[in-house]
Amino acid sequence: GAGVSQSPSNKVTEKGKDVELRCDPISGHTALYWYRQSLGQGLEFLIYFQGNSAPDKSGLPSDRFSAERTGGSVSTLTIQRTQQEDSAVYLCASSLDSESYNEQFFGPGTRLTVL
Amino acid sequence: TQLLEQSPQFLSIQEGENLTVYCNSSSVFSSLQWYRQEPGEGPVLLVTVVTGGEVKKLKRLTFQFGDARKDSSLHITAAQPGDTGLYLCAPGKAGSYQLTFGKGTKLSVIP
Repeated sequence: GAGVSQSPSNKVTEKGKDVELRCDPISGHTALYWYRQSLGQGLEFLIYFQGNSAPDKSGLPSDRFSAERTGGSVSTLTIQRTQQEDSAVYLCASSLDSESYNEQFFGPGTRLTVL
Repeated sequence: TQLLEQSPQFLSIQEGENLTVYCNSSSVFSSLQWYRQEPGEGPVLLVTVVTGGEVKKLKRLTFQFGDARKDSSLHITAAQPGDTGLYLCAPGKAGSYQLTFGKGTKLSVIP
């Protein structure tokens, strides 16, 4: 079946502009995660959605970052007033649920470059 | 705050050589996953280990979970260029949906 898809694959923007990144999880997966991966760094957890529960936003680095998940499927990560330090690869992952050892399936990521 | 360390950070070897990479932590985990990430792609799950002392084999890859469930190793026999990538370990804790990812070991296998 189809894996996790993300769009766009690359995004170049100017400092101060807003960007939206999209994630389509695997059909039937109730859990969805967003991570950020900067050069030479590990994956930094940003936000987690599980079914209809309130999302865990504890990893969002500032109030410029927000995310939503509509209809328990597609998710959008929005970064307002982008800064150069926001440049990174943003990865989305989904899992069947949060109980099965949390095995996550990742999309290819969106590479964001803020000029 | 748990400390998670992967070593070595970088490894460059010739095709056909054997290698071992390590994932060490100060905390006890209920499970641990290994992922491989190739350039321009997202990480792909290789294996999940859940029992202390557990050994799992995936073709030329051998994964071991430490007896105390604080560490893990990945051994690759007769490395091939297709093994090139970033190897990430991600321990998990019971009752928590969060995984903590290490910074990874970047492996280059030279033909």
